[in-house]
Amino acid sequence: GQNIDQPTEMTATEGAIVQINCTYQTSGFNGLFWYQQHAGEAPTFLSYNVLDGLEEKGRFSSFLSRSKGYSYLLLKELQMKDSASYLCAVMDSNYQLIWGAGTKLIIKP
Amino acid sequence: TAGITQAPTSQILAAGRSMTLRCTQDMRHNAMYWYRQDLGLGLRLIHYSNTAGTTGKGEVPDGYSVSRANTDDFPLTLASAVPSQTSVYFCASSDSSEDTQYFGPGTRLTVL
Repeated sequence: GQNIDQPTEMTATEGAIVQINCTYQTSGFNGLFWYQQHAGEAPTFLSYNVLDGLEEKGRFSSFLSRSKGYSYLLLKELQMKDSASYLCAVMDSNYQLIWGAGTKLIIKP
Repeated sequence: TAGITQAPTSQILAAGRSMTLRCTQDMRHNAMYWYRQDLGLGLRLIHYSNTAGTTGKGEVPDGYSVSRANTDDFPLTLASAVPSQTSVYFCASSDSSEDTQYFGPGTRLTVL
């Protein structure tokens, strides 16, 4: 079956760096997405990786290793507004998104 | 632009009743999707539509139906609601030129 694993919850300190890992086993691979979802709101797009390596976008970076079925989202200079859930999703061979359950990130002052 | 809108924002529904959740997008995206989100689970695809006039079943289609009469609208109907359909429902859309999906604000449905 298809599976996306990410930690349920993480805690970090304001101003610090945090890495949220995602491992996947899917039937085919057509890209990996990271979304941010604040409580009670819709998911919003953060990043997309289809080739191995690091994609940097401001304070957020996302890394992909297709051979290892692994990705991480790196958040730098954490701010209180970064408290949210971070969703990892993989596009499978049918171009359908398979979603992880999300990682709830708690930022402490 | 409004992007994607959903209605209603929330609803309490008696079991056995029918209901239609509305979704409208103004981005002229080809593809549209309905997901449900439950605590501790990832988003699960209910139905999708790659283009107006076509629809397909996702991972959890039972108890739900959709139609896509035009590009902008993609309503989701529950014919006879059951308590297990209590969830938050998100509509999303994407353009054929990219795979990124954009989400509406969601409908919180409680079936009693």
